[in-house]
Amino acid sequence: EVQLVESGGGLVQPGGSLRLSCAASGFTFSSDAMSWVRQAPGEGLEWVSVISGSGADTYYADSVRGRFAVSRDNSKNTLYLQINGLRADDTAVYFCARVRYSSGYSGDYFDYWGQGTLVTVSS
Amino acid sequence: QTVVTQEPSFSVSPGGTVTLTCGLTSGSVSTSFYPSWYQQTPGQAPHTLIYNTNIRSSGVPDRFSGSILGNKAALTITGAQADDESDYYCVLYMGGGISVFGGGTKLTVL
Repeated sequence: EVQLVESGGGLVQPGGSLRLSCAASGFTFSSDAMSWVRQAPGEGLEWVSVISGSGADTYYADSVRGRFAVSRDNSKNTLYLQINGLRADDTAVYFCARVRYSSGYSGDYFDYWGQGTLVTVSS
Repeated sequence: QTVVTQEPSFSVSPGGTVTLTCGLTSGSVSTSFYPSWYQQTPGQAPHTLIYNTNIRSSGVPDRFSGSILGNKAALTITGAQADDESDYYCVLYMGGGISVFGGGTKLTVL
């Protein structure tokens, strides 16, 4: 059974940093790309980033590029999201999701999701 | 910047049929965007319904179907049930590793 469990969220002051983790089990983690998706309170879902199975390729939404860094440790079956320079509008539940491809290595979609971890940015 | 558009809200009667759409502020949606659809109830993680325009995810009932209608992607729910009352999100793949969610549609069954 595929399981994704996020952790690392909490209350952080503006300008602070945080590292989120997503522990994966039930599949060959190193074979699959992974994404982060966030949801601000009462708002819709926003795609944040994706990382390839090897970790060699990473991509980001314009809204987070330069402040967020996605990485993975395939020996620990764990995905990470380093968030720096936190702002109030980064307050959200952060979900990790497994990425599948609709065609070749294109057409990303998300087939399994974690339950999310809440990041609150406030002084 | 191109934005992915969805109806903010929609209502359907129990047993009825509803079609939710997913468009672009600039241009048309085609299968090349590999549209996918997700259902989310409050406080829960999203659940995958459709990918690659019209392929149902494992375990999704066949009353959920995806298509391209005109210049938009579409999610049709046939024979709506009370527990279909949820938020529905589309995602378009923009290429270069970038995916974009639509703003979501809040579906009410009443």
